[in-house]
Amino acid sequence: DQQVKQNSPSLSVQEGRISILNCDYTNSMFDYFLWYKKYPAEGPTFLISISSIKDKNEDGRFTVFLNKSAKHLSLHIVPSQPGDSAVYFCAAKTGANSKLTFGKGITLSVRP
Amino acid sequence: DTGVSQDPRHKITKRGQNVTFRCDPISEHNRLYWYRQTLGQGPEFLTYFQNEAQLEKSRLLSDRFSAERPKGSFSTLEIQRTEQGDSAMYLCASRQLKGTDTQYFGPGTRLTVL
Repeated sequence: DQQVKQNSPSLSVQEGRISILNCDYTNSMFDYFLWYKKYPAEGPTFLISISSIKDKNEDGRFTVFLNKSAKHLSLHIVPSQPGDSAVYFCAAKTGANSKLTFGKGITLSVRP
Repeated sequence: DTGVSQDPRHKITKRGQNVTFRCDPISEHNRLYWYRQTLGQGPEFLTYFQNEAQLEKSRLLSDRFSAERPKGSFSTLEIQRTEQGDSAMYLCASRQLKGTDTQYFGPGTRLTVL
């Protein structure tokens, strides 16, 4: 039972344009969400997070939007840069549980 | 802040052998986590420690797996009688007990069982 779903396995975007990476979840008890970026042969690197009491969090070129009613969150990267090309994982946790539940990841390719 | 470190980065072993991995968390991070990632999947939770206490274990952690954090600092993950299905990236993460819920990951140990 996949509680965190990243249904699009890949996304290709032109440099300078917006990248929108989507994530859906099924567990209504999730109250904290994170996005990680991963390069091959490296561990995931934390990008940005959002608590369920918010609907938006922004950090530089990265913005995460949370729609609790739809159980959907998205990561916006503006403007996209070639160095953003990596696998992006959405993760979630509940307040009562410390572990993270991850989606399968989306491979983002930013074309120069 | 030197980040989470893991050793070794790569391990190749033959089926049936035992292997042990080490994780050094960010200093003063009370919580330490182990995850496993296979090809095409996201990381899957294995177990976590708060200081030296192992507080939760996933059903993925069969009795061939054992994790320790004896002094509440570094942790080891041992796999006994390795099987080809154990081939994966083993990731360690740490976080502070209070404040942000963000976990910070190490570079991982890539295990290949032949």
